[in-house]
Amino acid sequence: QSALTQPRSVSGSPGQSVAISCTGTSSDVGGYNYVSWYQHHPGKAPKLIIYDVTKRPSGVPDRFSGSKSGNTASLTISGLQAEDEADFYCCSYAGAYTWLFGGGTKLTVL
Amino acid sequence: QVQLQESGPGLVKPSQTLSLTCTVSGGSISSGNYYWNWIRQPAGKGLECIGRVYTSGSTNYNPSLKSRVTISVDTSKNQFSLRLSSVTAADTAVYYCARMWDRAYYFDYWGQGTVVTVSS
Repeated sequence: QSALTQPRSVSGSPGQSVAISCTGTSSDVGGYNYVSWYQHHPGKAPKLIIYDVTKRPSGVPDRFSGSKSGNTASLTISGLQAEDEADFYCCSYAGAYTWLFGGGTKLTVL
Repeated sequence: QVQLQESGPGLVKPSQTLSLTCTVSGGSISSGNYYWNWIRQPAGKGLECIGRVYTSGSTNYNPSLKSRVTISVDTSKNQFSLRLSSVTAADTAVYYCARMWDRAYYFDYWGQGTVVTVSS
């Protein structure tokens, strides 16, 4: 199974919105509502920010939102802040107790 | 607040066995129904699930690594461990441990990761 496809990088200015896509297949992203997103500041532990496509864990700002259409999931970050600059990874359940990750997207806040 | 911390040698020789431990703090590894996972990221590549161990000791492994992987749990030390045998340069990666509730499909807590290089 191949990894999920994410853009290598996205950028935006403070206050703007950016979206990060995560494309899979009908066997993973399209087949289950079990997409999660993780924010990773280098050297720190990855942090869960979205699960089950659209849900936010307690403490995650509502500036972070998730969605899915067909085989593509998306993470949208609105009202960009400097501290949002990080790497973001999507993950999808792919059946038979397997999970696939995206290659990661580097978000730069200009 | 649950915290996970990976530990182990940062350098392993080819053909030898990579051994890492994940220490869980802020809660008992045996309380609740959780899967304890190992995930890795080779340089410049995406994340890859290696496998997981349940609180009871049952395991699931990535089919591509299954023949070389052993994951076990030590409840007395609040730790779980990874052993990967017959390593090659392709096993050079950052290795993470992470937790998943058994009714969930996401990893809710992660360690910071530890770099393991396979080189002679």
